[in-house]
Order: sequence, then structure tokens, then C-alpha cells
Amino acid sequence: EIVLTQSPATLSLSPGERATLSCRASQSVSSYLAWYQQKPGQAPRLLIYDASNRATGIPARFSGGGSGTDFTLTITSLEPEDFAVYYCLQRTNWYTFGQGTNLEIK
Amino acid sequence: EVQLVESGGALVQPGGSLRLSCVASGFTFSSYRMNWVRQAPGKGLEWVSHISSSSTTYYADSVKGRFTISRDNAKKSLYLQMNSLRAEDTAVYYCARDYNGPDYWGQGTLVTVSS
Repeated sequence: EIVLTQSPATLSLSPGERATLSCRASQSVSSYLAWYQQKPGQAPRLLIYDASNRATGIPARFSGGGSGTDFTLTITSLEPEDFAVYYCLQRTNWYTFGQGTNLEIK
Repeated sequence: EVQLVESGGALVQPGGSLRLSCVASGFTFSSYRMNWVRQAPGKGLEWVSHISSSSTTYYADSVKGRFTISRDNAKKSLYLQMNSLRAEDTAVYYCARDYNGPDYWGQGTLVTVSS
């Protein structure tokens, strides 16, 4: 099983700041990594697929990068609605999710 | 607009059974693979099961032999038959369309396994 480790577990930032979230895989997943945003009481929303492709309707302030085992999700200039939990997902060997990063308002 | 609506969640005793449903609209259901993903209270996401457009099925080890995924393309519906339920199966269950991984998700249905 491929294990995804997200860091940090919690990230405290202010609106307008830049957020960088990390996801590390226990073995190469090529570029088959996605990022999701989840707000309390809501379903996850796809942000990024295949490491760097924004999903339909996702603002340009969200970007993804990386390949192999190390990936990042960057949010430039945080908006109030961006504070949420973020998960990464690999689809190389079925599906496994990271444990999540809680992006909270400082 | 893609919509997925789950139903069937309930309180059930350990060892019991439950069948979840998910009705799809806004896309050609028969052409897409589908998934069930669950989230225990206050926890992260866990992939449960997948079904191809031709009804080939796959399961997480945690549910293999107890859960069965199926689909009815005429009814644009996805199902999850859950047997021999355990306390650790307590979660919100989401159905999710699959396009290079789960893309659109329903709002989820809560399954609680408790005596």
C-alpha cells in the first residue's frame, strides 16, 4: 500500500498570505496525485488532478507541483474561503489519501 | 450540472446489513466508473470500493468479503450493500464519480453501527 504523508498537520496563516502544503508518497506515484479541499459538513472538492492540472472552476491562486514522491499545493494570497482541510490522493495503486492538512486562520 | 445524491444511511446494530444508494444526474452515468469513499467522524478519507463502467469491481481490504458494489445504468444508480457491519464502519459514505480519480462527490449519507 502506498502511504501519503502530509505536512504540516496544521498551518496557521492570515488572509493574503501564501500557503504551501506538502504531500510525500512512500513510493513513486508518477504524476498521479490529486488535491481536495473539504470544509466542515461538506463533501470534498477536487482542486488539482495529475499533480498540476486545475479542476474545472478552480481559481488560479491554487497551483500544484511535483512528481514521483514529493508534491506541493500552493495557494497564493489566501482568501477567507480557503481556510479548510486539504487532502492529497494517489491513484497509482488504487486510491489512498493523506491524513490531511488543516489550514486555519491565524 | 453533475449531481450525486446518496441515501440509505441509518443506525444499525453490529453484524447487521444496510444498502446505500446514489442517484446520478447531469452526466452520462453509464460511461463513468464510480467509487464509494467514507469518512469516520472527525477522521480522514478512506476509499472503499470502485466499479467500472462494465461492472468490474474492486474493494479496500477493510471491506472485502463484506461489502458489494453494484450499479444499474438504466436507473443511473450506484449501490453499496454492506453486510456484517462493525463499529469501525461508522462513517459518512460518499459516492464519487471517477475521472482520473474521484472528481464529483455527493453530499454523503451517515452510517452508524452501534448497539
